[in-house]
Amino acid sequence: AQSVTQPDIHITVSEGASLELRCNYSYGATPYLFWYVQSPGQGLQLLLKYFSGDTLVQGIKGFEAEFKRSQSSFNLRKPSVHWSDAAEYFCAVGPSNFGNEKLTFGTGTRLTIIP
Amino acid sequence: DAGITQSPRHKVTETGTPVTLRCHQTENHRYMYWYRQDPGHGLRLIHYSYGVKDTDKGEVSDGYSVSRSKTEDFLLTLESATSSQTSVYFCAISEVRGNEQFFGPGTRLTVL
Repeated sequence: AQSVTQPDIHITVSEGASLELRCNYSYGATPYLFWYVQSPGQGLQLLLKYFSGDTLVQGIKGFEAEFKRSQSSFNLRKPSVHWSDAAEYFCAVGPSNFGNEKLTFGTGTRLTIIP
Repeated sequence: DAGITQSPRHKVTETGTPVTLRCHQTENHRYMYWYRQDPGHGLRLIHYSYGVKDTDKGEVSDGYSVSRSKTEDFLLTLESATSSQTSVYFCAISEVRGNEQFFGPGTRLTVL
């Protein structure tokens, strides 16, 4: 069965500093991978996705993520964070085989930004 | 933003009462999902639908039922609410199976 691990429950970063959020997945083949962001009291918004091709994907709000098959990872990065990036971030994996509709989500990483 | 609404947005109810949450979409997407979100658990799939009248269970389906009589509406029913069902419930839609999902604003349910 597929699974997702986000090892960091909570990360604190200074405004303007770089950010990397970790995501590791378990799946028997190349999965579909997603990062979502959730602001307090809101639903989840898709930041970016990886299906195939270039392993470095660009998303909205200046975020990018890199798929590394050898490490089963899909880490999210941003070169310079803004106070508005404070939120909870979820990594998700969806199987690429035809016939399975489900996404599996990690437990999330809460990002705090300090001035 | 995808056209997804959830109603009600907040509800407080008592143990043993039935509760129905509604998800409505204007995108004509085939797939619809119900999740619950709890601290330390992320999002867990309750039920999903792959077409009108076609539904299947997710990982935490006990105590929940769903119905989809129209493409645009997906109902989640708690037949007899329990305190363990206090949670935030999210509806999501997807156009293609296994593809990205778009989420509604959520319903905060408290069972006393």
